[in-house]
Amino acid sequence: EDQVTQSPEALRLQEGESSSLNCSYTVSGLRGLFWYRQDPGKGPEFLFTLYSAGEEKEKERLKATLTKKESFLHITAPKPEDSATYLCAVQAGTSGSRLTFGEGTQLTVNP
Amino acid sequence: NAGVTQTPKFRVLKTGQSMTLLCAQDMNHEYMYWYRQDPGMGLRLIHYSVGEGTTAKGEVPDGYNVSRLKKQNFLLGLESAAPSQTSVYFCASSGAVQPQHFGDGTRLSIL
Repeated sequence: EDQVTQSPEALRLQEGESSSLNCSYTVSGLRGLFWYRQDPGKGPEFLFTLYSAGEEKEKERLKATLTKKESFLHITAPKPEDSATYLCAVQAGTSGSRLTFGEGTQLTVNP
Repeated sequence: NAGVTQTPKFRVLKTGQSMTLLCAQDMNHEYMYWYRQDPGMGLRLIHYSVGEGTTAKGEVPDGYNVSRLKKQNFLLGLESAAPSQTSVYFCASSGAVQPQHFGDGTRLSIL
């Protein structure tokens, strides 16, 4: 059974205080690992897809990295508008297009 | 470009009533999905479709039915609503090798 565990559940940062969110996974043959951002009252918004260990992707203040067991979402010098819940999901080789999601990390960035 | 549109956005039902949630996508995606999101449980897949006229069960299909009569539409039905089905429902769509794109959800309360 595919499993995704995200930590911490909640994280409070001061504006400019860099940190990382963790996504640990167990999957039968990883096809892809996905990061999404979800704002209150909205649906998840796609951020990144990572396919193999060692891969990195960046978008503004966010950088996602992948190892064989986990992924990190690094947030550099965050701003209040980065406050959201960040979701991690995996796509297994045996599951077609289906995703297994973690419970998310709720990030709050205070000004 | 609307993307994925869900109707209604909010609904309150009484136990035992039935209703249908509608999802429409304008991206010509083959794959469509229905999820529910509950506190502490993350996003869980209810049913999905890999093409017009096809449907398949996800992780939590009991109490729900779906239909995909047209490529752009995916309907989720509750035959006899129960309080345990109080949740936020999200629809998503994707191409074969593309990330899933989500609507903004339907907030459903069963009294």
